[in-house]
Amino acid sequence: DTGVSQNPRHKITKRGQNVTFRCDPISEHNRLYWYRQTLGQGPEFLTYFQNEAQLEKSRLLSDRFSAERPKGSFSTLEIQRTEQGDSAMYLCASSFIGQGAFNEQFFGPGTRLTVL
Amino acid sequence: DAKTTQPTSMDCAEGRAANLPCNHSTISGNEYVYWYRQIHSQGPQYIIHGLKNNETNEMASLIITEDRKSSTLILPHATLRDTAVYYCIAKRNFGNEKLTFGTGTRLTIIP
Repeated sequence: DTGVSQNPRHKITKRGQNVTFRCDPISEHNRLYWYRQTLGQGPEFLTYFQNEAQLEKSRLLSDRFSAERPKGSFSTLEIQRTEQGDSAMYLCASSFIGQGAFNEQFFGPGTRLTVL
Repeated sequence: DAKTTQPTSMDCAEGRAANLPCNHSTISGNEYVYWYRQIHSQGPQYIIHGLKNNETNEMASLIITEDRKSSTLILPHATLRDTAVYYCIAKRNFGNEKLTFGTGTRLTIIP
């Protein structure tokens, strides 16, 4: 399968611990996005990268959150000192921006985080 | 992005056409209408998008009113696998990369 993959699929942690999620985009996709989704709500944008550059960050992304895409391929999202309010599904998406006007985002299956 | 309004939930009989409405009365001239859906426990999936002309692909048809203030997504022959949350999003194609999801319409296909 050559879609977007995310690991782990599920993560349970205790409040105050740090967690890191990984996203592997579709090969050759130059844009990568992170979203967060809580129960009953649609996904909310967190941040996105073009190649290795982080171009936009939502105000939802507090100082405890950091995202990287060091070589313009996979990305990691780290949450430090987790809080119960961080419990959510974290979704990654990728797209290719070229000369065409359309930018379809392909989503991964998500990482479900539960903070106890 | 223009705000979109959708019904919270809808039912449709299997094999019938599912018509999902979306209101986007404040849409601007350079904003497209996108539809994504999210099947339980999966990430969202692109369905279709359009600017002002009606569009059709292998998954669905999109009908946009002439004033562009509303649109309808049509799944012509709904199957049980079409049960999902459907999101209507208004977005420019350039200069605004994030998708702004609302709460969507939960479509249930009934056998």
